[in-house]
Amino acid sequence: DQQVKQNSPSLSVQEGRISILNCDYTNSMFDYFLWYKKYPAEGPTFLISISSIKDKNEDGRFTVFLNKSAKHLSLHIVPSQPGDSAVYFCAAPHNTDKLIFGTGTRLQVFP
Amino acid sequence: NAGVTQTPKFQVLKTGQSMTLQCAQDMNHEYMSWYRQDPGMGLRLIHYSVGAGITDQGEVPNGYNVSRSTTEDFPLRLLSAAPSQTSVYFCASSYSSRGGNQPQHFGDGTRLSIL
Repeated sequence: DQQVKQNSPSLSVQEGRISILNCDYTNSMFDYFLWYKKYPAEGPTFLISISSIKDKNEDGRFTVFLNKSAKHLSLHIVPSQPGDSAVYFCAAPHNTDKLIFGTGTRLQVFP
Repeated sequence: NAGVTQTPKFQVLKTGQSMTLQCAQDMNHEYMSWYRQDPGMGLRLIHYSVGAGITDQGEVPNGYNVSRSTTEDFPLRLLSAAPSQTSVYFCASSYSSRGGNQPQHFGDGTRLSIL
């Protein structure tokens, strides 16, 4: 039972345009969400998070939006840069001590 | 600051062999965890620890053992390797014992192949 879902395995975006990565979840008890970014042959690195008391959190070019009624969150990257090409995972803590990851979306930003 | 260090980076085993994947962190973090990453599956939690002497199971614990005798080290043991355990293994840590609620720092992974 996949509690955190990323239905788009890949996304290709032109440099300078907006990248939108989507994530859906099924457990209404989730109250905190994180995005991680992963380059090949490296471990994931934390990117941005959002608490369920907010519907938006922004950090530079990265903004995460949360729609609790739809159980949906999205990561916006504006403007997209070639260095953003990576795999992006959304994740949610289950009972505060277990992190549940989505399957990831591979973003490719081309010139 | 080394962060989270995993050794080895690569390993090939034969079915039935045992081995230990090492993980060490130098940030005095309470929470440590092990994940495996498989194609199309994302990262799945194997075992985790909220402090020295305390461990618990994650989503996919079968075939793996862990112990946490010190704050710094969290080794993962494969008792009898099986081809289904071929994967990339990541160790992670975070400062709070409520590790799921905090950003975790990951090592660079161990790529393990079981023949």
